[in-house]
Amino acid sequence: NAGVTQTPKFRILKIGQSMTLQCTQDMNHNYMYWYRQDPGMGLKLIYYSVGAGITDKGEVPNGYNVSRSTTEDFPLRLELAAPSQTSVYFCASSYTNYGYTFGSGTRLTVV
Amino acid sequence: EDQVTQSPEALRLQEGESSSLNCSYTVSGLRGLFWYRQDPGKGPEFLFTLYSAGEEKEKERLKATLTKKESFLHITAPKPEDSATYLCAGPDSNSGYALNFGKGTSLLVTP
Repeated sequence: NAGVTQTPKFRILKIGQSMTLQCTQDMNHNYMYWYRQDPGMGLKLIYYSVGAGITDKGEVPNGYNVSRSTTEDFPLRLELAAPSQTSVYFCASSYTNYGYTFGSGTRLTVV
Repeated sequence: EDQVTQSPEALRLQEGESSSLNCSYTVSGLRGLFWYRQDPGKGPEFLFTLYSAGEEKEKERLKATLTKKESFLHITAPKPEDSATYLCAGPDSNSGYALNFGKGTSLLVTP
């Protein structure tokens, strides 16, 4: 049972480039979330989804987009990367609202 | 505005020296208070959920308690392997689905 799988683990982007952070879960969870974690700032919610085809913005959605075409996958798209998007990104899923299972994270640097 | 505040930011203990971490919250209509453990370079790992004042939960050397305004994570006779960042979270009243995380307490237990 893999749980929540995030790829890639590390990535360096140049300013203005785009990329997609992948997130897949094999637990048949309805709820999925994207957070970013910056040093000393805690986890901030970017986007969340309560099921396939349903997504909504969290606290810090600017510069990001998501889609949820299947229960398993919840990719996060960065368009026109900026240095402010340098962070560690975590995907999480849950069966009920709050019992999160987190992935191992993607460490992104924008230079 | 929902707020989850953790203290202290960092804590250094000798092995066997018991202590407590604090989490205070201002979440209206609290529907659970959550504790997670995060090791360096990894995603947070779920520890406990507490739903009502007076509730207590234990796991090995950790015991979480909840009052009407705060939660404590008590660590009894800690070992070096308990070194980690401990995160507290409460439900986000805006989304109704996601969690708001505190900034965490970084615990270091030395032999």
